[in-house]
Amino acid sequence: DVKVTQSSRYLVKRTGEKVFLECVQDMDHENMFWYRQDPGLGLRLIYFSYDVKMKEKGDIPEGYSVSREKKERFSLILESASTNQTSMYLCASGQGGSGANVLTFGAGSRLTVL
Amino acid sequence: GIQVEQSPPDLILQEGANSTLRCNFSDSVNNLQWFHQNPWGQLINLFYIPSGTKQNGRLSATTVATERYSLLYISSSQTTDSGVYFCAVERSPMNTGFQKLVFGTGTRLLVSP
Repeated sequence: DVKVTQSSRYLVKRTGEKVFLECVQDMDHENMFWYRQDPGLGLRLIYFSYDVKMKEKGDIPEGYSVSREKKERFSLILESASTNQTSMYLCASGQGGSGANVLTFGAGSRLTVL
Repeated sequence: GIQVEQSPPDLILQEGANSTLRCNFSDSVNNLQWFHQNPWGQLINLFYIPSGTKQNGRLSATTVATERYSLLYISSSQTTDSGVYFCAVERSPMNTGFQKLVFGTGTRLLVSP
């Protein structure tokens, strides 16, 4: 089974802190994604990467950056956390190009910014 | 961008009942997936079904791509089926390039004993 592991299940941070969310997948998938999930808004794509050192903005990239130095690891960075970034963050990985990308998700990281 | 609408938004069932969840989308797609999010937040991929019909145990799904909808059937529901069901689609590309999966807002299902 593909496993997508997110480093922290729950985090509490203060406004202005730098936050790192780590995601590791163990099936050599090319594509990795970061989503955030908020009540009533569903899942929204923050950033994705289809290769090492490659990154593409999703629908809501403002306030976030990402890093993909190794194929198995995709990190989401909040340079200066704000209260409106309190959310559930979900990492996913997938293999394949257009039309064939089937996603597997991690368990999620629930971030609270005070 | 492509719009994805799911219905109903909420559904309450008695254990053993059957249900049908619907996903409508506004454009041609070449990728459609159904997910179940359990009460602890874990999203599980149920089906990859850009067209046709698939079955997995008590669950089955049908996508009619030409009419831009997909249906998820749950038969003999169990309390463990509770959670939120999401449909996600990828628009058929107009040109080369990576298309994104767009999620609907989900159907929240509660199955009571």
